[in-house]
Amino acid sequence: GEDVEQSLFLSVREGDSSVINCTYTDSSSTYLYWYKQEPGAGLQLLTYIFSNMDMKQDQRLTVLLNKKDKHLSLRIADTQTGDSAIYFCAEDTGRRALTFGSGTRLQVQP
Amino acid sequence: DGGITQSPKYLFRKEGQNVTLSCEQNLNHDAMYWYRQDPGQGLRLIYYSQIVNDFQKGDIAEGYSVSREKKESFPLTVTSAQKNPTAFYLCASQLAGGRNEQFFGPGTRLTVL
Repeated sequence: GEDVEQSLFLSVREGDSSVINCTYTDSSSTYLYWYKQEPGAGLQLLTYIFSNMDMKQDQRLTVLLNKKDKHLSLRIADTQTGDSAIYFCAEDTGRRALTFGSGTRLQVQP
Repeated sequence: DGGITQSPKYLFRKEGQNVTLSCEQNLNHDAMYWYRQDPGQGLRLIYYSQIVNDFQKGDIAEGYSVSREKKESFPLTVTSAQKNPTAFYLCASQLAGGRNEQFFGPGTRLTVL
């Protein structure tokens, strides 16, 4: 079935690394995405990874994919207060629409 | 600038009234989507359209209706049949084929008084 799970909340101190985790259940997913949502705004694509990749790095962002365990993670290095937001993972199974997780609220404390 | 616009940003409705939320895109995307977001929850798919003059129900279509008369526009009507319409509504669009990244509009917050 299609079910993407994330923990609801993560709190870190400014300058630390943040790791946001996601599990998905559909092994046929081709792409997996990370979106960021700031308060009262739409979702902004941060990064994505193709299913045949293990890792993707983009500046402060590192995405790790473990297909065997259906586990996706987003690491934000040197987390800043501007990174405070809700982060959604989403999987693309090639069907009607992306399937989104429930979102992880990241709180960055100064 | 290319993008997706939603209007209005805030909308207030009295119980028993229908209301229509606008979504327009100039990205030349084929597919468009409507999601509902409630506090502490993820996005739930209401309706989607992959081509002009065609649309499909999502997971929570009851009490909502849509039309897709033009490629650029996908308005959502929240009818009086929707029992709990107060929520944040997000519209998205996507280019058919290839990597199916969805681009999102800024959202409309609907409050029923």
